[in-house]
Amino acid sequence: DQQVKQNSPSLSVQEGRISILNCDYTNSMFDYFLWYKKYPAEGPTFLISISSIKDKNEDGRFTVFLNKSAKHLSLHIVPSQPGDSAVYFCAASAGSGGSNYKLTFGKGTLLTVNP
Amino acid sequence: DTAVSQTPKYLVTQMGNDKSIKCEQNLGHDTMYWYKQDSKKFLKIMFSYNNKELIINETVPNRFSPKSPDKAHLNLHINSLELGDSAVYFCASSQGFRLAVEQFFGPGTRLTVL
Repeated sequence: DQQVKQNSPSLSVQEGRISILNCDYTNSMFDYFLWYKKYPAEGPTFLISISSIKDKNEDGRFTVFLNKSAKHLSLHIVPSQPGDSAVYFCAASAGSGGSNYKLTFGKGTLLTVNP
Repeated sequence: DTAVSQTPKYLVTQMGNDKSIKCEQNLGHDTMYWYKQDSKKFLKIMFSYNNKELIINETVPNRFSPKSPDKAHLNLHINSLELGDSAVYFCASSQGFRLAVEQFFGPGTRLTVL
């Protein structure tokens, strides 16, 4: 049962343009969402997060948008750079109900930014 | 200076063998995790320890046994390896395990069972 879905396995964009990575979730108990970035042969690294009390969080070139009614979040990267080429994982956590805050990850989206 | 390190990086072994993967973190964190990334690419939590106490134990075969000798180390021992155990295993650590805590991942151990 995939509670966090990243339906696009890959995305290719030109340098300088916007990259939009999408994530959908099914568990209405999720109230905290994170994006991780992973380069080959390395572990995932934290990129940006958003709490369910917000609908937007920005950090430099990275912005995450949350639409709770649609159970959808997206990561925008503007402008995209070749160094952004990596696999991006969406993850979600439920803070209430004694769920011990474990992270549930999506399958990832491979972003390729072409020079 | 590596924050979360795992050894070995690659492990190739025969079915039925017993093997261990070691994880160490030098971040001073009190919580450590093991994740499995299988062929379908999902990263799934297996175990988590906080101050050497088991706090997350997902539905994992009891052939998998984590051991935390101290807060900086979390090792994973696997008995009677099966073909389906082939995966990349990631160790991670965090300070606490509250909702907004950031987890730091190691580089992964690619286990191949022949």
